[in-house]
Amino acid sequence: ETVLTQSPATLSLSPGERATLSCRASQSVGSFLAWYQQKPGQAPRLLIYDASNRASGIPARFSGSGSGTDFTLTISSLEPEDFAVYYCQQRSHSWTFGQGTKVEI
Amino acid sequence: EVQLLESGGGLVQPGGSLRLSCAASGFTFSDYGMNWVRQAPGKGLQWVSAISGSGDSTFYPDSVKGRFTISRDNSKSTLYLHMNSLRVEDTALYYCAKEKGHRLPCDHWGQGAQVTVSS
Repeated sequence: ETVLTQSPATLSLSPGERATLSCRASQSVGSFLAWYQQKPGQAPRLLIYDASNRASGIPARFSGSGSGTDFTLTISSLEPEDFAVYYCQQRSHSWTFGQGTKVEI
Repeated sequence: EVQLLESGGGLVQPGGSLRLSCAASGFTFSDYGMNWVRQAPGKGLQWVSAISGSGDSTFYPDSVKGRFTISRDNSKSTLYLHMNSLRVEDTALYYCAKEKGHRLPCDHWGQGAQVTVSS
C-alpha cells in the first residue's frame, strides 16, 4: 500500500499569511496526487488534482506542486474560510489518503 | 446541479450486513465512475470501493475485499454498497462520491450515511 504522510499535523497561522502543506508518498505516484479541503460537518471538497490542476471554482490562491514522492499545497494568503483540514490522496497505486493537516487560526 | 443522496445507514451488530444506497442526479450517471469513501469518528478519510461507469470494473482495498460489494443500477442512477461481516472498525460515515473523470479524483460528494457496528 502506498502510504501518504502529511506534515505538519497542525498549522497555526493568521488570516493573510501563507500556508505550505506537505504530502510525502512512500513510493512514486507520478503526478497522480490530489488535495481536498474538509470543514467540520461537511463533505470533502476537491481543490487540486494531478498535482497542480485546480478543480472547478477553486480560487487562484490555492496551488499545488510536486511529482514523484513530494508534493506541496500552498495557500498564498489565508482567508477566514480556509481554516479547515486538508487531505492529500493518490491514485497511482489503488487509492489512499494522507492523515490530514489541520490549518487553524 | 449534481446531487448525491446516501441512505440505508444505521446500527448493526458485528457480523451483520447492511446495504447503502446513493441516489444521483444532475449528471449522466452512466458516464462516471463512482466511489465510496468512509470516515471514522474524528479520523481521516479512507477509500472503500470504486466502480466504473458501466459497472464492469470494481475496485477495493484489502481491508474490505471479500466483505463489501459495490454495484450500480444505471437505469435508476443509483449506487450501492453491500456490506457483509461487519466489524466494529467499519463504524464510520460513508460518503458516496462521483469521479471527475475516468479514475480521476472525486469532484462531488454526498453528505454521508452513518454506519455504526456495535453489540
